[in-house]
Amino acid sequence: GAGVSQSPSNKVTEKGKDVELRCDPISGHTALYWYRQSLGQGLEFLIYFQGNSAPDKSGLPSDRFSAERTGGSVSTLTIQRTQQEDSAVYLCASSSPGGLRNTIYFGEGSWLTVV
Amino acid sequence: DAKTTQPPSMDCAEGRAANLPCNHSTISGNEYVYWYRQIHSQGPQYIIHGLKNNETNEMASLIITEDRKSSTLILPHATLRDTAVYYCIALYSGGGADGLTFGKGTHLIIQP
Repeated sequence: GAGVSQSPSNKVTEKGKDVELRCDPISGHTALYWYRQSLGQGLEFLIYFQGNSAPDKSGLPSDRFSAERTGGSVSTLTIQRTQQEDSAVYLCASSSPGGLRNTIYFGEGSWLTVV
Repeated sequence: DAKTTQPPSMDCAEGRAANLPCNHSTISGNEYVYWYRQIHSQGPQYIIHGLKNNETNEMASLIITEDRKSSTLILPHATLRDTAVYYCIALYSGGGADGLTFGKGTHLIIQP
């Protein structure tokens, strides 16, 4: 597709369940980011993938959160044993090769509600 | 990445120019100033970026002070659809493992 695609767009899950959120970046983009945005808050960086380098996981809030990127393309963010405070919109972004990040494109997000 | 400060909210009349300020007094020489906006319920959208010189594109103009400690995003003829949260960010141009750090931005409200 032309843009960053995320699925599901909306997810309601029970506390304690695991969830997987998927991101399909723009073809050819080697950098991929995951962010979280709680209601009324700014974007919170979670994790960054760049090519074949080890991902920067410094923003993951706890060990219940993990992400992988298979084949340098699609990424999956997994939240285990979800808690109510995990409710937020999870945004994925990708950017083109090279140094400047002016070509970062965001998806529309996956809205997660933990009940 | 350098910290930026923005007013939490601003109003602007439809059809007028919206001028959104941003302070980035600790910006380093190789950090660019980027602006993004986020319309309610949508992902952030890139607007414009610059290093030293003023920049203009189809969406907006970016005015950067000579000392680079502040900048202003200008939407020349604001419309109701420009109501959004606008984020000013200072980013190292060389990429690297750090992510974009967004603050709370400025909530711009265009009044009819």
